[in-house]
Amino acid sequence: NAGVTQTPKFQVLKTGQSMTLQCAQDMNHEYMSWYRQDPGMGLRLIHYSVGAGITDQGEVPNGYNVSRSTTEDFPLRLLSAAPSQTSVYFCASSRDRNSPLHFGNGTRLTVT
Amino acid sequence: QQQVKQSPQSLIVQKGGISIINCAYENTAFDYFPWYQQFPGKGPALLIAIRPDVSEKKEGRFTISFNKSAKQFSLHIMDSQPGDSATYFCAASILTGANNLFFGTGTRLTVIP
Repeated sequence: NAGVTQTPKFQVLKTGQSMTLQCAQDMNHEYMSWYRQDPGMGLRLIHYSVGAGITDQGEVPNGYNVSRSTTEDFPLRLLSAAPSQTSVYFCASSRDRNSPLHFGNGTRLTVT
Repeated sequence: QQQVKQSPQSLIVQKGGISIINCAYENTAFDYFPWYQQFPGKGPALLIAIRPDVSEKKEGRFTISFNKSAKQFSLHIMDSQPGDSATYFCAASILTGANNLFFGTGTRLTVIP
């Protein structure tokens, strides 16, 4: 049972480039979400999904897009990378709204 | 604006000592307060959680104390061990919402042998 799998583990982008951070879970969880972790700021919610076909914005959604075409996958797209998006990104999932969040091991993104 | 405030930023404790991390919140709609533990290179993992209908919850060496009137909660780690060295995050959410957590800024705990 792999849990929540994030790829890649590390990525370096130049300003203006686009990319997709992948997230997959094999626990048949309905809820999935993306957080970014920055020093001194904890984790902040970017986007979330309460089920396939349903997504919504979190606390810091600007510059990011998501889609949820299947229960298993929840990719995060950076449309035009900026240095302010340098961060560690975590994907998380839970069975339902009352269940604990399970986090992946993160993607460390650097934008130069 | 940080919805959950956490202190201290870092903490050094001797092996066998008690580690205490404090958090405070403003939104009285929060009704679920978990603590997450994070090791370097890993994602946060749920350690222990509490709901506001109780004032204390204990699991092994880890205890959450909750003060609803003060809007504060804290994590106590008894008999701290070097293996407890990690970053700890408090968080809060609304259970009737979409399971979206508001995190504190984290406390880096170092337990000295």
